[in-house]
Amino acid sequence: EAGVTQSPTHLIKTRGQQVTLRCSPISGHTSVYWYQQALGLGLQFLLWYDEGEERNRGNFPPRFSGRQFPNYSSELNVNALELEDSALYLCASSFSGSLDTQYFGPGTRLTVL
Amino acid sequence: AQSVTQPDIHITVSEGASLELRCNYSYGATPYLFWYVQSPGQGLQLLLKYFSGDTLVQGIKGFEAEFKRSQSSFNLRKPSVHWSDAAEYFCAVLAESGNQFYFGTGTSLTVIP
Repeated sequence: EAGVTQSPTHLIKTRGQQVTLRCSPISGHTSVYWYQQALGLGLQFLLWYDEGEERNRGNFPPRFSGRQFPNYSSELNVNALELEDSALYLCASSFSGSLDTQYFGPGTRLTVL
Repeated sequence: AQSVTQPDIHITVSEGASLELRCNYSYGATPYLFWYVQSPGQGLQLLLKYFSGDTLVQGIKGFEAEFKRSQSSFNLRKPSVHWSDAAEYFCAVLAESGNQFYFGTGTSLTVIP
């Protein structure tokens, strides 16, 4: 069974640009979560999508946004990139509405120059 | 507010030696606790989890963890470390509201021959 997949693997952008990251959950999972893993800051919760709706949001500015598609895949968009947005962005998935294990993808490494 | 503390930023052990990684949590209700491992450039892999029941939990790769409510701890242990265990280890608590994970800052494990 395929795990959580993310694309692209790596991205290099410049300040002020916009970026879109993509995530496909494990088959049967309808919840998708996004986390930012920045150097020295650990893993920070960004967003939770379930059944196409945004259910919860971490302490990040509005320029971090996303959506979930009918097939439960998800996009994370970051506008007006700043240097401190450089990080590994991890996507995770789980069954809908369940307080259960989140399974993580390999991540997208974003570098902002 | 929920939080997770991993007091040890970095630990070095000899191959074959025993290992204990510390994790303390702050959470008002019964916590759902997890340990994940992250190899360089990889996503997070679940080692084990505790939801309820037996406070000693067995995981993959020979790891175990013990939930101690009185100490608000969920320490990870392995009786004999292998060189392939070198990685970053994250403890996490799952908040019932918002399906949000709170991660510790991680413990980096180095294994020396």
